[in-house]
Amino acid sequence: IAGITQAPTSQILAAGRRMTLRCTQDMRHNAMYWYRQDLGLGLRLIHYSNTAGTTGKGEVPDGYSVSRANTDDFPLTLASAVPSQTSVYFCASSDGAGEGGTQYFGPGTRLTVL
Amino acid sequence: GQNIDQPTEMTATEGAIVQINCTYQTSGFNGLFWYQQHAGEAPTFLSYNVLDGLEEKGRFSSFLSRSKGYSYLLLKELQMKDSASYLCAVRDSDYKLSFGAGTTVTVRA
Repeated sequence: IAGITQAPTSQILAAGRRMTLRCTQDMRHNAMYWYRQDLGLGLRLIHYSNTAGTTGKGEVPDGYSVSRANTDDFPLTLASAVPSQTSVYFCASSDGAGEGGTQYFGPGTRLTVL
Repeated sequence: GQNIDQPTEMTATEGAIVQINCTYQTSGFNGLFWYQQHAGEAPTFLSYNVLDGLEEKGRFSSFLSRSKGYSYLLLKELQMKDSASYLCAVRDSDYKLSFGAGTTVTVRA
């Protein structure tokens, strides 16, 4: 069982380019999340999806979009990248309430926008 | 929303005990999580509290007081591999997590 995979591992991107970060989970979790992690700021929620076909905005959604066509995949798209989007991006998934609602994280994508 | 505070850094000696405090202000509380994150890696789940009291898992224990908006993570018998960042996260009524900035623990020989 792979858990959660993310691709690419790292990417250097020119400002203004479009970029899609991929996230796939094989745990059949209903909920999936995208976070960015910046030094001194901790993890901040960008977008989330409670179940396939639905998405919601987190704390810092501007400049990002997501889709959830099926249970396993939750891609994050930067339509026109800007240097302030340089960060480490983590995808996570969870299922259920209580400790069963624990979020499990993918390995992350390190993105640099120049 | 949530406002979560934890110390930025702590240093301790191998074999010792360290307590990482976390205070929070929440508009809807639905559980508190602690995660460990080694440099360059993903956060990994350590503990979960939803009721007041102490939860023990081996060398790690976590405490919660909902009335005080306070939790701590206790690391006992510190080992070098415990050098990492420890993240406090509060879950709201919509099952979304808000994270503190993390506490970097350095274990010295």
